[in-house]
Amino acid sequence: DGGITQSPKYLFRKEGQNVTLSCEQNLNHDAMYWYRQDPGQGLRLIYYSQIVNDFQKGDIAEGYSVSREKKESFPLTVTSAQKNPTAFYLCATQGRSNQPQHFGDGTRLSIL
Amino acid sequence: EDQVTQSPEALRLQEGESSSLNCSYTVSGLRGLFWYRQDPGKGPEFLFTLYSAGEEKEKERLKATLTKKESFLHITAPKPEDSATYLCAVRNQAGTALIFGKGTTLSVSS
Repeated sequence: DGGITQSPKYLFRKEGQNVTLSCEQNLNHDAMYWYRQDPGQGLRLIYYSQIVNDFQKGDIAEGYSVSREKKESFPLTVTSAQKNPTAFYLCATQGRSNQPQHFGDGTRLSIL
Repeated sequence: EDQVTQSPEALRLQEGESSSLNCSYTVSGLRGLFWYRQDPGKGPEFLFTLYSAGEEKEKERLKATLTKKESFLHITAPKPEDSATYLCAVRNQAGTALIFGKGTTLSVSS
């Protein structure tokens, strides 16, 4: 079954802790993206990767880190430097450059 | 600066009451305008892509149209299951990412 899988669905972070959100895809798409969604706000781009072993900062990259070691996987780490991490995090993929992005079902991160 | 503005923020309709959602955009050289539907606690679901002024796309009760400055999502005879947040986005100048509006939350009551 083709798609984008984000895990976990819910995640809780303690003060000073780093947490990693998983995004896996079997659509064979080259490009992958991480967005953050806050209530009443549009989606804001954190990081994106257009090819394996390469990634670029988006508009709000501070306090986050990513890796892209495999085409299928693009994990996002929320570090302790991110002071307001509570949000809904969405992963997206895109095939060819003229195609739309497709999204996973998100991870909701909260502070303990 | 690339920008997307959606209006209204929220819209309440009675079942069968047709209406339109607006998406105004500012981008140099449009490389695609996208409409998504998002249900609570879920990721956005792709609906339409529009590329040039005058283009129209339809799917069931939804029709998207595009001018040089804005797009409309027309909802004809809506049903309660059409209740969701509708997001509009444009591809940025560099073609590397999407810029989203804040969305319109539609509620349809029977």
